[in-house]
Amino acid sequence: GAVVSQHPSRVICKSGTSVKIECRSLDFQATTMFWYRQFPKQSLMLMATSNEGSKATYEQGVEKDKFLINHASLTLSTLTVTSAHPEDSSFYICSASRQGATEAFFGQGTRLTVV
Amino acid sequence: GIQVEQSPPDLILQEGANSTLRCNFSDSVNNLQWFHQNPWGQLINLFYIPSGTKQNGRLSATTVATERYSLLYISSSQTTDSGVYFCAAQRYTGTASKLTFGTGTRLQVTL
Repeated sequence: GAVVSQHPSRVICKSGTSVKIECRSLDFQATTMFWYRQFPKQSLMLMATSNEGSKATYEQGVEKDKFLINHASLTLSTLTVTSAHPEDSSFYICSASRQGATEAFFGQGTRLTVV
Repeated sequence: GIQVEQSPPDLILQEGANSTLRCNFSDSVNNLQWFHQNPWGQLINLFYIPSGTKQNGRLSATTVATERYSLLYISSSQTTDSGVYFCAAQRYTGTASKLTFGTGTRLQVTL
């Protein structure tokens, strides 16, 4: 398999502040990473595709100015939730695949609570 | 985009029982994966199975790509099998391909 590490696993922040979540591929390089959001008892919904060295591609309905994605290296993508509000509280999870392969591996997820 | 549906949505089993989870997808796919989401939210890769049959211990999976479905078999279930099982499908579109997740099957195994 392949290891994807996500940090932090849990974060509580105040309304109006920004939170950064990191997603790292530990033992492989990933030109593309994906960010998902999961509400309680629901499935995973793709938010955006993170492309190394270029702009992220956002799914319809996802605010790119609220969810800033940076993929500065082949092993790191970050998701920043800007000006967080309670409705942004959710479980965020990233995935990556080895270059040339299609099997996806997921990070541990980040549970964000905005108070 | 591709649609992925799973059944049943909920399943309660007694320890030792067998079960079959189903995943239907709306279009031809290049990738089909099964995951187990544990109570902490971690997605555990079970199978990468765009076609054919694979087995791993008490679990096995079969994908019939031409008929657009996949099955996950759990034999001799244990309480540690509890959690949510997701299938996810991917279809190449010429750029980075996205995994679309099914609705999930919530499994509870009781003593």
